[in-house]
Amino acid sequence: AQKITQTQPGMFVQEKEAVTLDCTYDTSDQSYGLFWYKQPSSGEMIFLIYQGSYDEQNATEGRYSLNFQKARKSANLVISASQLGDSAMYFCAMRAHQGGSEKLVFGKGMKLTVNP
Amino acid sequence: EPEVTQTPSHQVTQMGQEVILRCVPISNHLYFYWYRQILGQKVEFLVSFYNNEISEKSEIFDDQFSVERPDGSNFTLKIRSTKLEDSAMYFCASSELAGADTQYFGPGTRLTVL
Repeated sequence: AQKITQTQPGMFVQEKEAVTLDCTYDTSDQSYGLFWYKQPSSGEMIFLIYQGSYDEQNATEGRYSLNFQKARKSANLVISASQLGDSAMYFCAMRAHQGGSEKLVFGKGMKLTVNP
Repeated sequence: EPEVTQTPSHQVTQMGQEVILRCVPISNHLYFYWYRQILGQKVEFLVSFYNNEISEKSEIFDDQFSVERPDGSNFTLKIRSTKLEDSAMYFCASSELAGADTQYFGPGTRLTVL
């Protein structure tokens, strides 16, 4: 079974600074995908970035990058140059590629607050 | 940019009533999902649907729940007899392919059971 752990309940960062959101995972599968979603106060879930377990390079999407350390089973999200609009809940999720399961398993999330 | 849509955005119902939550997945997507998020908690998988049948469901998805794709565009979640504990945000998601493909979420329907 897959498990996602996000231990930081909340973080504060100054506008324009970089911030790292932690995510560790546990799985016995060799092939899997890791995702980050953003949930602003309005409630929708916004896809940010994806990393496949066999991808050799860390994923990047604009200001978002994923610091993937497979041996440590961590998939931390790095947001560069934080903006006020980045204030939201952030969820790390995982999906196994094997065994036919398609479900995403989510962590508990963490709240990021960007201060002006 | 194509997106998943959900209606209504907020549904209030009395305990024991039936509710139908509606979703329009992205048009070329083949895999559909429902998740729920109880207030302040993490997002939980309910069910996945492909080729007009359920491909996977969680323990939460008991006999009170059903899903249907009544036409070529809509995907619905029905709760037959709502309970207080069904109060949550319900998210529909879709993906083009299975496996590694990203699931795109709709804006959610907030269900309040009184």
